[in-house]
Amino acid sequence: NAGVTQTPKFRVLKTGQSMTLLCAQDMNHEYMYWYRQDPGMGLRLIHYSVGEGTTAKGEVPDGYNVSRLKKQNFLLGLESAAPSQTSVYFCASTFARRGGTEAFFGQGTRLTVV
Amino acid sequence: LAKTTQPISMDSYEGQEVNITCSHNNIATNDYITWYQQFPSQGPRFIIQGYKTKVTNEVASLFIPADRKSSTLSLPRVSLSDTAVYYCLVGDTGRRALTFGSGTRLQVQP
Repeated sequence: NAGVTQTPKFRVLKTGQSMTLLCAQDMNHEYMYWYRQDPGMGLRLIHYSVGEGTTAKGEVPDGYNVSRLKKQNFLLGLESAAPSQTSVYFCASTFARRGGTEAFFGQGTRLTVV
Repeated sequence: LAKTTQPISMDSYEGQEVNITCSHNNIATNDYITWYQQFPSQGPRFIIQGYKTKVTNEVASLFIPADRKSSTLSLPRVSLSDTAVYYCLVGDTGRRALTFGSGTRLQVQP
């Protein structure tokens, strides 16, 4: 049972380049999330998905796009990377149970935009 | 999710009990209280979750008063390895976006 797996773990981009971060979970979770974490800061929600084919904006969605074509995968895209998007990106997933549930996180992707 | 307020940082020594309090005055009836722990360069890890009164597991205890407007995470006899950031989340997490605050940075000294 791998849990939540993020690909890649590290990446350096030049300003203006595009890339896609992949999050895969094998727990049959309905909800998936993408966060960014800047040095010394808390996690900020970028986008999330409550099920296959559905996505929603979080706290800081600008400059990012997402897709959830399959239940187990949640992709985060940067169309034109900017230095302000240098951060650590975390993916998480949970069951859609009413009342509260435990979120599982990936190991993170460290992205540097130069 | 309900807004939460927790101390920015705390210091402790090995072997001491640490209590981190989180305020959540506008908690809703269906909301649960969940605490996560995050080590440097890692994703957050679930510690404990509760709805009311007291919950205890092998890692921590969670105390929730009757009005549920606050909660206290209790870490018994901390060690250096408990140095981390602790986040308090309040919400019906299975139905809405999961948002984190700034957390409490706990530093355990020898």
